[in-house]
Amino acid sequence: DVQMTQSPSTLSASVGDKVTITCRASQTIGTWLAWFQQKPGKAPDLLISKASTLESGVPSRFSGSGSGTEFTLTITSLQPDDFATYYCQQYHGFPYTFGQGTKLEIK
Amino acid sequence: QVQLVQSGAEVKKPGASMKVSCEVSGYTFTSYDIHWVRQATGQGLEWMGWMNPNSGNSDSAQKFQGRITMTGNTSLRTAYLELTSLRSEDTAVYYCARGRGAVAVPDSWGQGTLVTVSS
Repeated sequence: DVQMTQSPSTLSASVGDKVTITCRASQTIGTWLAWFQQKPGKAPDLLISKASTLESGVPSRFSGSGSGTEFTLTITSLQPDDFATYYCQQYHGFPYTFGQGTKLEIK
Repeated sequence: QVQLVQSGAEVKKPGASMKVSCEVSGYTFTSYDIHWVRQATGQGLEWMGWMNPNSGNSDSAQKFQGRITMTGNTSLRTAYLELTSLRSEDTAVYYCARGRGAVAVPDSWGQGTLVTVSS
């Protein structure tokens, strides 16, 4: 199975900050990497697929990059609505696997 | 718009079985895979498996094999997740999600179904 390692586990930031979350795969997955945002009590929302393709309706302050084994999610100019937990997921092969999540907290 | 609506919360005793449904609308049920993901309270997301409503093919993570069944009813546009021999560690919110694309990314999710396993 492909292991996905996210860092950091928790990130404290302020409104207006730029933040970066990293996701590493234990083996190459090309660009078959998705990023999800999850708020308490809600289902995850797909933000980015194919490592860097922004889903329709997702603000342009979100961006993704990377390929192979190293990926990043960047959020520029944090907004109050962005404080949530973020997960990466590889869908290169079964079983699909998620990172352990990064909780983005208000500083 | 695309919607996946899941069945309500369940309480089960250890050793029992659960069956969660996921009714879809806003797209052709047989054109997209359905994935199942679960999340224990305060924990991360765990992918369980997928099924193809058109062919009936499915596959699951190894830890669930032997206990999991994923099926679909095309007339009802509904997918089902069945998990048997429940234990307390199966207490979680279970999500269905539509898999988009030939290499399917879960793009639209149900609201989740809480299954509590307790004696």
